[in-house]
Amino acid sequence: DTAVSQTPKYLVTQMGNDKSIKCEQNLGHDTMYWYKQDSKKFLKIMFSYNNKELIINETVPNRFSPKSPDKAHLNLHINSLELGDSAVYFCASSPPGNEQYFGPGTRLTVT
Amino acid sequence: AQSVTQLGSHVSVSEGALVLLRCNYSSSVPPYLFWYVQYPNQGLQLLLKYTSAATLVKGINGFEAEFKKSETSFHLTKPSAHMSDAAEYFCAVTGNTGNQFYFGTGTSLTVIP
Repeated sequence: DTAVSQTPKYLVTQMGNDKSIKCEQNLGHDTMYWYKQDSKKFLKIMFSYNNKELIINETVPNRFSPKSPDKAHLNLHINSLELGDSAVYFCASSPPGNEQYFGPGTRLTVT
Repeated sequence: AQSVTQLGSHVSVSEGALVLLRCNYSSSVPPYLFWYVQYPNQGLQLLLKYTSAATLVKGINGFEAEFKKSETSFHLTKPSAHMSDAAEYFCAVTGNTGNQFYFGTGTSLTVIP
């Protein structure tokens, strides 16, 4: 009965590889987000989609590409992974102007 | 433009002592304000929110926060710290029609036995 789920929970990969993280929400929210949390716990918004349409695209490398097949899903694809991409990635969803519901996070380790 | 500032990246309190975590906001529109908690290796969980109703907001686990417009503050308090309160705490702001949240840099709370 998880509201916002992410897969995988842990992802260990080598530099240069391409990987995807999947996110699904069953709350019926129109807006979904991707955040990156670095080792100092700082949360940085990466992308936001509203009803499958990109509305926020912060300054992230274009190796990161979000894809929203429907409003319940927002996946994150990362090309040519680098060491600096190692972080915890959180998916979230929300109704407009209201609290965000976070997934459990995906810990990405690039070696 | 909206932003939040959390004063003190690390706060230590003794078990049973008052917890006070500070958050100041800036917002060009009436703000909605939130406090989230992140326990180790977990996602963020909503503690409480202010959405222009009562200025004193009560949340889960005995936490509360007071919205003070004159001070542009939304500080989080708990009368008596418990060991289980040790976590990272984030303040966040959004406008009442906005989709984007602005998170503070977080405050790590340590509870000393």
